Amino acid sequence: DAGVIQSPRHEVTEMGQEVTLRCKPISGHDYLFWYRQTMMRGLELLIYFNNNVPIDDSGMPEDRFSAKMPNASFSTLKIQPSEPRDSAVYFCASSPRTGQAQHFGDGTRLSIL
Amino acid sequence: QKEVEQNSGPLSVPEGAIASLNCTYSDRGSQSFFWYRQYSGKSPELIMSIYSNGDKEDGRFTAQLNKASQYVSLLIRDSQPSDSATYLCAVIRTYKYIFGTGTRLKVLA
Repeated sequence: DAGVIQSPRHEVTEMGQEVTLRCKPISGHDYLFWYRQTMMRGLELLIYFNNNVPIDDSGMPEDRFSAKMPNASFSTLKIQPSEPRDSAVYFCASSPRTGQAQHFGDGTRLSIL
Repeated sequence: QKEVEQNSGPLSVPEGAIASLNCTYSDRGSQSFFWYRQYSGKSPELIMSIYSNGDKEDGRFTAQLNKASQYVSLLIRDSQPSDSATYLCAVIRTYKYIFGTGTRLKVLA
C-alpha cells in the first residue's frame, strides 16, 4: 500500500514568496492532519480535516497560512507571504478514523531565506 | 503545565539493556495513546498504540498505561544501536492529537 505522499521533499525560497505544500493521504483514511516540526517547538498540529472538511484550524499560526482539501485524495498547505520564521519541516498525516493512529508522510523541509 | 510531557534526554543505555521511556499527560479524559519513533531527518513512525490500562507487548516493545496516574511508558528490551532515535508520546484528547516533545534515546554499542 502506498503511504502518505508529500511534495515537494525540499523547498528553498525567498521571503515574501508563496509556498504551496501538497499531500495525498492513504486511500480510505477519513482524517488528514498538517503538522509543523521545529527543534524549539517540537511537533505542532496546524489543522486537521475530516471527510475533506476542516475541523480544527486553531493551530494555524496566522492568516498567512491556509489549507484546503478539495477532495479525499489531495490537500494543500499554503503560506503567503512566507517569512524566515516559517522555516521548518511540515508533515502531513492521515488516519482511518478518530482515535486511531496516524501515518505520516516523509515531510517537506522548508527553508525561507 | 504542558499537556503531554516527556523528558527530553538524551537517555543513554548500553546495548542489550532495557530502555524505559516515560510520558505524562494532563487531561484525564484522554482515551488513546501512541508511541512513535523518529530517526533524525525522518518522519515519525508508529511503534505502539494502547487504549486500556495495563501492559501491551509487541516483540521487544512493551507499552504500559496507567490512567489513574496519567502516565504511559514504553519499555524496549534488548536495546540495539538501531533503536537510537527520538521517541514521541502522543495522546488523543477530544479528537485532537497532542504530541510530547520527545525523548532522545542513545543505545551505546
